[in-house]
Amino acid sequence: EADIYQTPRYLVIGTGKKITLECSQTMGHDKMYWYQQDPGMELHLIHYSYGVNSTEKGDLSSESTVSRIRTEHFPLTLESARPSHTSQYLCASSAYLPDQGPADTQYFGPGTRLTVL
Amino acid sequence: DAKTTQPPSMDCAEGRAANLPCNHSTISGNEYVYWYRQIHSQGPQYIIHGLKNNETNEMASLIITEDRKSSTLILPHATLRDTAVYYCIVRVVSGNQFYFGTGTSLTVIP
Repeated sequence: EADIYQTPRYLVIGTGKKITLECSQTMGHDKMYWYQQDPGMELHLIHYSYGVNSTEKGDLSSESTVSRIRTEHFPLTLESARPSHTSQYLCASSAYLPDQGPADTQYFGPGTRLTVL
Repeated sequence: DAKTTQPPSMDCAEGRAANLPCNHSTISGNEYVYWYRQIHSQGPQYIIHGLKNNETNEMASLIITEDRKSSTLILPHATLRDTAVYYCIVRVVSGNQFYFGTGTSLTVIP
């Protein structure tokens, strides 16, 4: 089981504020991901990274930005939060499992539930 | 990545085996079958994965049909803590993400 942490777990904030959601993993995984999930709905990939200084946008358009300066850290930033950003944000990381072939299993953090008033 | 079809909900009696089906008729030869579950909007939890052969670990067993067009996740002795949404996903190794779909909401009944 991978160790992956997200802070804060819950955040209630006013419109227009800048926020950063933290994600860290201690497994040395090269790949990291951010998903967005509304209650009862599917997960959607918004950002991913294959390593330090590598970031890409996912299938779901998002006004958030990410950075990957260190392998273990993949923060997500919203420059100006809006009520439409209210959602759960899930971070994940992955590496190949050499004993099981190139399966690239993703391990998820507990999530950050963001509410923008 | 191939699409999957799962029943939207299932019930299972506590202590009995829970058998969760998944159809993936358009799966290609290099796509793995993964199962995850999500308990009460927590982060999804990896359960098991496989390519062709049946697999078993401490959490569950995965049975993949010979033509690989469907699979079944088996929880051998369901407990109340197994109540969750279970996602069947097929994915190539080089893919960027897991397409979770809507999954099967499993309720374990006392």
